[in-house]
Amino acid sequence: ELVMTQSPATLSVSPGERATLSCRASQSVGSNLAWYQQKPGQAPRLLIYGASTGATGNPARFSGSGSGTEFTLTISSLQSEDFAVYYCQQYNDWPNTFGGGTKVEIK
Amino acid sequence: QVQLQESGPGLVKPSETLSLTCTISGDYVGYGSQYWNWIRQPPGKGLEWLGYIYYSGNTEYNPSLKSRLTISLATSKRKFSLQLTSVTAADTAVYYCARGGIDWENYFDYWGQGIPVTVSS
Repeated sequence: ELVMTQSPATLSVSPGERATLSCRASQSVGSNLAWYQQKPGQAPRLLIYGASTGATGNPARFSGSGSGTEFTLTISSLQSEDFAVYYCQQYNDWPNTFGGGTKVEIK
Repeated sequence: QVQLQESGPGLVKPSETLSLTCTISGDYVGYGSQYWNWIRQPPGKGLEWLGYIYYSGNTEYNPSLKSRLTISLATSKRKFSLQLTSVTAADTAVYYCARGGIDWENYFDYWGQGIPVTVSS
């Protein structure tokens, strides 16, 4: 099974600052990598797919990069509504697997 | 607008079978290039992909559950179901259904709101 590792587990950021979240795959997943945002009591919401393609309806401040085994989600200027847990997911291989999540909290 | 809605019991006894249904509106499991998935999240933990069904009836399951899990499709193509046998407390989770992306790229672009399921006697 392909293992996805996210870091850090918790990221403390002030509103207006940039946040950089990392996701590493135990073997190459090409560009078959998605990012999700989850708020308490809600289903995850798709932010990025194909490692760097923004999903419809999301703010432009969310961007993704990387390929192979190293990926990054960047939030350019954190807004209050961005404090949440973020998950990466690989869909290059079965079973599809998720990272353990990064919680972005207010500093 | 695509919407998915999970339904089923919120409480299941250990060793029994968990049965859930996902009802689709604004789309259907048709001759497309998308998978229809089940995903779960134990309390306070991360996400686990369980499996998918394709319009042809083909399925793929997570090996961790393969012997206990069945995903099926209703003839209406607007509902698909999950059956998980011999449940234990470790199966307590919020269960989500989700649509996969186009061209068989299985990112999840639409999710149901989730249904919490507790396994307890």
